[in-house]
Amino acid sequence: DGGITQSPKYLFRKEGQNVTLSCEQNLNHDAMYWYRQDPGQGLRLIYYSQIVNDFQKGDIAEGYSVSREKKESFPLTVTSAQKNPTAFYLCASSMLAGLLNEQFFGPGTRLTVL
Amino acid sequence: GQQLNQSPQSMFIQEGEDVSMNCTSSSIFNTWLWYKQDPGEGPVLLIALYKAGELTSNGRLTAQFGITRKDSFLNISASIPSDVGIYFCAGQLFFGNEKLTFGTGTRLTIIP
Repeated sequence: DGGITQSPKYLFRKEGQNVTLSCEQNLNHDAMYWYRQDPGQGLRLIYYSQIVNDFQKGDIAEGYSVSREKKESFPLTVTSAQKNPTAFYLCASSMLAGLLNEQFFGPGTRLTVL
Repeated sequence: GQQLNQSPQSMFIQEGEDVSMNCTSSSIFNTWLWYKQDPGEGPVLLIALYKAGELTSNGRLTAQFGITRKDSFLNISASIPSDVGIYFCAGQLFFGNEKLTFGTGTRLTIIP
């Protein structure tokens, strides 16, 4: 089945630890995105990547890092510098970067920092 | 970053009722998208609109691209329990823009 997978679904970490969230897609999409969603709020863009080995900061990149070594994979690291990391994280992808930006989302990872 | 204004923020309706919601902006958009998000899940794309004035249906859902290109509307006819969730609009400012701007969401609840 084609789609976007995120793992794990739920993640718990202690304060001060870095944590990496996985995002994989087998849709052959060029562009991939990471969003953060807080309760009762919309989606805020963290980072995005249009091609392999290249990525750009979104609106709230501070305290996060990404890599894009393969077209299928776009992992997000939440670092200890992120002041309020507990949130629902969503990964998305789109076929032609920027042309018609229909983004398709993964199931999300809920991160709780204790 | 910019966000689109969605209205209403929440709706409480009875099963079988029709639903209307809208999304407005001070900027002109070239593409409008409507998504539905179930609790604890990722948003699912419902309808995509590419042309001012365009009216597109997907089953009981109908969406319109406003003629001014600054707004979009989503209607759901004869609501059923599985329509419960949060509906988001999203816009692409211009073709070639790699980012989407998202609305604040409309939460739909069906009263038994």
